[in-house]
Amino acid sequence: EADIYQTPRYLVIGTGKKITLECSQTMGHDKMYWYQQDPGMELHLIHYSYGVNSTEKGDLSSESTVSRIRTEHFPLTLESARPSHTSQYLCASSEQTTNEKLFFGSGTQLSVL
Amino acid sequence: QKEVEQNSGPLSVPEGAIASLNCTYSDRVSQSFFWYRQYSGKSPELIMSIYSNGDKEDGRFTAQLNKASQYVSLLIRDSQPSDSATYLCAIRRDNYGQNFVFGPGTRLSVLP
Repeated sequence: EADIYQTPRYLVIGTGKKITLECSQTMGHDKMYWYQQDPGMELHLIHYSYGVNSTEKGDLSSESTVSRIRTEHFPLTLESARPSHTSQYLCASSEQTTNEKLFFGSGTQLSVL
Repeated sequence: QKEVEQNSGPLSVPEGAIASLNCTYSDRVSQSFFWYRQYSGKSPELIMSIYSNGDKEDGRFTAQLNKASQYVSLLIRDSQPSDSATYLCAIRRDNYGQNFVFGPGTRLSVLP
């Protein structure tokens, strides 16, 4: 079944640790996105990619980095986690068509102690 | 002015009533319009998309688009407590840049 997967679903980690949030999609979509969302707050785009070897920063300044080596995989990395990084991280993908739609993964809830 | 605006709510309606959610946008070149439902602590789920002026119905949901007035609305008929969630309006501008833009969402509460 075509879908978009995020792991881990929950992550609790100490300050200063390096972490990678995984996102994979089996829909063959060219475009992938990372959003950050605090509880009850708006979605903020932090990174996006139009395809392999393409990555761009979004609206929200972020200390994270992303890579797109394979079409289906778009991991997000924090080199040194801080309590201010505590948030929900949502991965999404879309196919560039006339009626393009955005689909989300189930999210990673990150808590940095 | 934000590009996509919604009343943050909460909007409270009794069970069985019609819930009406509204959204306005500022960019006239916007091509596609979407409604997402987001339960607390979950990710947004696409429930409706609309691309041309008029109404589009899917079950209990009806999306309405008026490009001249730059607004899009979502009607939920026979509202159920399970419809209680935050509803996000989103637009797609064009095939360039960060082409999906989300509104802040309207929190809907359906009272049994």
